Amino acid sequence: DAGVTQSPTHLIKTRGQQVTLRCSPKSGHDTVSWYQQALGQGPQFIFQYYEEEERQRGNFPDRFSGHQFPNYSSELNVNALLLGDSALYLCASSYGEVSGANVLTFGAGSRLTVL
Amino acid sequence: AQSVAQPEDQVNVAEGNPLTVKCTYSVSGNPYLFWYVQYPNRGLQFLLKYITGDNLVKGSYGFEAEFNKSQTSFHLKKPSALVSDSALYFCAVRDNWAGNNRKLIWGLGTSLAVNP
Repeated sequence: DAGVTQSPTHLIKTRGQQVTLRCSPKSGHDTVSWYQQALGQGPQFIFQYYEEEERQRGNFPDRFSGHQFPNYSSELNVNALLLGDSALYLCASSYGEVSGANVLTFGAGSRLTVL
Repeated sequence: AQSVAQPEDQVNVAEGNPLTVKCTYSVSGNPYLFWYVQYPNRGLQFLLKYITGDNLVKGSYGFEAEFNKSQTSFHLKKPSALVSDSALYFCAVRDNWAGNNRKLIWGLGTSLAVNP
């Protein structure tokens, strides 16, 4: 049973570039959430997708955008990269719209370095 | 405002001794509380959660946590630590108030080191 898979695992970009990160949820899950984890910090909620719509968004600028596909997989796009965007980006999946006591299943993350 | 505090950056214990990793929280409504563990180069793994009911919650790998509403705390405990428990532990809270109930708010994490 495949868990949450993310790609790529590592990538290096330069300031101003754009990046796309991909996530396939755990089998049977239909909701994807994205988190940013800077070094030495806890994860910060970026947004959540359910039924191909963004359902809630954290305090991130519009440079951060996403998409969910009919097969429930998701992409996170970041435009005009800044040095401060360097972080581990975590994708988490669950069944049903995330609320209350839902438990998230996390992928191993995509580590983005912006030079 | 919602928040989670893990007051200790690092906890050191000897193998076989009991361990406690502390967490306090602040939410608008009633809390749903979670503990996750993160091993190097791996994603976050769910340990346990508190929804309602019994204040002592049992989870994976022998861990348990005690919910204390008056102290707004949710400390993680294990009676006998193993070297393999060494990892980064995160406390998280989700507010059951409708406007905030989709996102998890995380603490900064506590690094647990269990010494042989």
